Amino acid sequence: DQQVKQNSPSLSVQEGRISILNCDYTNSMFDYFLWYKKYPAEGPTFLISISSIKDKNEDGRFTVFLNKSAKHLSLHIVPSQPGDSAVYFCAAGYNFNKFYFGSGTKLNVKP
Amino acid sequence: EAGVAQSPRYKIIEKRQSVAFWCNPISGHATLYWYQQILGQGPKLLIQFQNNGVVDDSQLPKDRFSAERLKGVDSTLKIQPAKLEDSAVYLCASSFPRTSGRANTGELFFGEGSRLTVL
Repeated sequence: DQQVKQNSPSLSVQEGRISILNCDYTNSMFDYFLWYKKYPAEGPTFLISISSIKDKNEDGRFTVFLNKSAKHLSLHIVPSQPGDSAVYFCAAGYNFNKFYFGSGTKLNVKP
Repeated sequence: EAGVAQSPRYKIIEKRQSVAFWCNPISGHATLYWYQQILGQGPKLLIQFQNNGVVDDSQLPKDRFSAERLKGVDSTLKIQPAKLEDSAVYLCASSFPRTSGRANTGELFFGEGSRLTVL
């Protein structure tokens, strides 16, 4: 069962514009959400997180929005840079345990 | 601070052979995870340890996969016998437990992974 879904396998954006990556989940028990970035041949690296008690968390160019009623979260990258080109995974868990990952979205930022 | 260490980085075996992967988490991290990432998919949790105890192994194919963390530090994941569908990257991750009382973002720190090819 796929409890976390990223329905867009890929996204292409021009440098300087906004990148919006989406993620949907099915389990209303999830209370913590993470975004990871992965380059080829490397392990995923943490980007940003959000707790279910918030609806927005910001860190520099990265902002995560959480819509609990829609069971939807999104990652905004503004402005996008070529170095942001990577695969982005969202993950959801409860009580900091048993995190489920989406299938990833490959972001390509064109110079 | 040293990151999560994994070895070997790459392994090629024939089906029905056995293989073992090793992971050394970040010092002080009580929680350790093994994830399987098949090409084109997201990481799938196989097993989660808290110190040397198993928290969750519901998605571990126990007829062929086993994992241990005997002293609550490093861990090994073994596959015996391997099948073609076991070809994947095996990721180890560690984190502080929520009950540690330490303020953290809840993030998992991942190693570089061990890529397994079963022929």
